[in-house]
Formats: sequence, C-alpha cells, structure tokens
Amino acid sequence: EAQVTQNPRYLITVTGKKLTVTCSQNMNHEYMSWYRQDPGLGLRQIYYSMNVEVTDKGDVPEGYKVSRKEKRNFPLILESPSPNQTSLYFCASSWGPAAYEQYFGPGTRLTVT
Amino acid sequence: DQQVKQNSPSLSVQEGRISILNCDYTNSMFDYFLWYKKYPAEGPTFLISISSIKDKNEDGRFTVFLNKSAKHLSLHIVPSQPGDSAVYFCAAKRSNTGNQFYFGTGTSLTVIP
Repeated sequence: EAQVTQNPRYLITVTGKKLTVTCSQNMNHEYMSWYRQDPGLGLRQIYYSMNVEVTDKGDVPEGYKVSRKEKRNFPLILESPSPNQTSLYFCASSWGPAAYEQYFGPGTRLTVT
Repeated sequence: DQQVKQNSPSLSVQEGRISILNCDYTNSMFDYFLWYKKYPAEGPTFLISISSIKDKNEDGRFTVFLNKSAKHLSLHIVPSQPGDSAVYFCAAKRSNTGNQFYFGTGTSLTVIP
C-alpha cells in the first residue's frame, strides 16, 4: 500500500530534550516536506526537500532541522524543543517537478512541557 | 503574514445542497492552487487542483473556480453529502519555487443529513 508513515504518532516531552520524528514514504517520491498545524494558523511549511541531500527552508524553519540521506526518509529533528513547538506535525511527499499533489502522513501530536 | 486566507472558519450545509468554500490569496505570483480535505486524526488528502491558465476545473461533484483578477478561488461541492464533512484547506504555490507551498487556515464543513 502506497503510504507516508510517521513515528511516533504521539509524543510528550520536556523542554530541551532532543527528539526526532521520523517520516518514510514507499512511493519513490522525490519531494518531501514537513508541516505544522496550529489552531487559527492552518498548515505551515517547516522544511522541504527536492532530492537526497537537497533541503530548503519553508515558512517556519526556526528551531527545526531536517536531513535527507535516503530518498524514502525525511526525519524532523528538534534539537532543543520549547513549548511553542507544541503542535500537530505532518510529513508529506510528492513525485517532483510539476506534480504538486502531496500525500500526507497521519500526523504526529507533539506536546512540549 | 498569511498569503492564503480562508475567512470562514466553518460552514454548515444541508445534505443535497451546494457547499461553497472560499479562499483568497495576496501573492499575484501564485500560479497553482490545490484543495485538500482533512478528517480528524488523519492527514490531509488531495481533492482537486487548478492552474492559473484555467478558470475552472471539475472532478465529479467538486469544481474549483479561479478568479485571478480578484485573487480568489472557490470550491463548489454539489450535491453535498454527510461524508463531505471535514476541514478543507486551500493551498497555493509558484511553479518556479521548488516545493514551497502556502496553505490557508482551513474551513470546517458540516453537512447536515
């Protein structure tokens, strides 16, 4: 089954404790992105990648890191999480140039206390 | 600064009637627009898209209209069904900016049986 998977689905952590949210897609997509969803703000793009080792900042990259060492994986790293990073996070992937339809993962609910 | 806006947080419609969801954008360089549907506890799923070279695109019960001069797009659902109850996000991008997307804040549609 074609899908985007994220782990963990739920995470409660404390301020400053480094964490990684994994994202994997099995569709051989070139492009991948991370978004956060917050009430009243909709979906905002954090980072995106257009290929292995090619990443770029989205609208709200502060406090986040990403890496794309393999085509299928695009982990989101929070080196020192803060309470304002409490949010619902989505990973997405798409085929690539001119194929703008994105496939989203099920989401990761992160709470930072 | 929100470049894509959905000014109606919620909308209720009777089953069988038309649902009209609206979206406005401020960046005249956007040339591709998409609508996504999101159920609770799931990631968004792609619904329909439109390029700026068109003013209308249809897919079954769903039609998207684009008015470039007004920087406005709308999604029409006819007839509305209870299964259409979800949050709808519009998104926009410039075709020469890699994988960068801008999403609206979402409209929660409730179709009343």
